[in-house]
Formats: sequence, structure tokens, C-alpha cells
Amino acid sequence: AQKVTQAQTEISVVEKEDVTLDCVYETRDTTYYLFWYKQPPSGELVFLIRRNSFDEQNEISGRYSWNFQKSTSSFNFTITASQVVDSAVYFCALSSSNSGYALNFGKGTSLLVTP
Amino acid sequence: DAGVTQSPTHLIKTRGQQVTLRCSPKSGHDTVSWYQQALGQGPQFIFQYYEEEERQRGNFPDRFSGHQFPNYSSELNVNALLLGDSALYLCASSIGTGRANTEAFFGQGTRLTVV
Repeated sequence: AQKVTQAQTEISVVEKEDVTLDCVYETRDTTYYLFWYKQPPSGELVFLIRRNSFDEQNEISGRYSWNFQKSTSSFNFTITASQVVDSAVYFCALSSSNSGYALNFGKGTSLLVTP
Repeated sequence: DAGVTQSPTHLIKTRGQQVTLRCSPKSGHDTVSWYQQALGQGPQFIFQYYEEEERQRGNFPDRFSGHQFPNYSSELNVNALLLGDSALYLCASSIGTGRANTEAFFGQGTRLTVV
């Protein structure tokens, strides 16, 4: 069975602070894919990143960075110098061939960035 | 280039009624997946359609059914509505089924309220 855990339900930071969103996953598959999506109040899920299980390189995209560690089954997401526009719910998700590559989402972390 | 479009945006139904939700995939996409997102939860996979057939199904009862048309658009039907069916229903489109090297693009969802 697959499981994604986002232990942080809500996080509140002041603008320009750095913030890390945690994601821990469980899977018996050796090949799998990890994702982060952002859900603003409009409801649409916005794709941020996909990482496969064989690529443990960290990735940076502007103010966003991701730390993938297979040893701890974690795929954490850091926003540097947060902005008010970063306020949203962020979801970590997992997929693999055993799930037909359907996305298995965590419960999400609600991030509030205040001025 | 139009993204994923869903209709209607909001819907109120009475217990026991039936509802049909619609989704048009992003241009060039041929696969449609449906997710149910209860308030405060992550999206849950309902099913996926490709080549007008249901290819994958999550843990949802037979009251949930779907259809895909030759133009790749899709419908989600829910019969005998229960109060617990109240949720945001998200449609996601992608290219090909059973493929990991593709990201899913989501629509803004249909907010269904059952009273």
C-alpha cells in the first residue's frame, strides 16, 4: 500500500521568511514518482515538480527547492524568502505502476504568508 | 491554449438525486482522471479514462461511473447522492495511460453540495 504523510496541517510565516514543507511517503515499489502541487483558493491544482525514485538530486527553481532523501523516504519542499502570493495549500503526491500511475495525495499543508 | 475546463463550477443537489459533471481536457491530452476532494483533505482518485474505456479505478462504489467521448472529453456521474458525496470534484488530463513521464493538469473543479 502507498501512503503520503504531510504532518504539518497549517504553517504561518511572515513574508521573506524561509519555510519548509515536509512530506514522508511509504511504498513497496522500487520505481515510483513524487510530486508537489499547489492549490490556491481558486481550487485548481498547479503542478510544481515531479521526481522519480532513481534521481535523488536536489532541485532548485527560483525560490523553490526540493530535497529528496530515499533513506528517510522524504521529499521536502522549501520556499525561500516567502511572499504573500505563496499562500496556498500544498500537496505532496506519489504514483507508481502498481497504482496505474494515479496520484496518491497527502492531506496537504496550508501555508499562510502574512505581510 | 485552453487548459482543463470543468462544468458546472458549483452545484447543489438533494440526497438521492443523480448528478453529471463534465470535463474537457487540455488540448493534445487524451487521458482524463477524476478525483474527489473532501473539505480539508487531499484529492482521492476515482477513476481514469483512456480511449473511451475506464482503465484504472480507485476505491469508490459503483454509484460513481464515467464516460469518455471520442473528442476525449469526459463525464462523471454519481447516482443516489449521499451527504458524504459533497466535495470538490477535480478533473485532470494527461497524455497516455500508464505513463509516468507525464504530469497531470487539473481543472478548477466542480464544487458539489448535497443537501
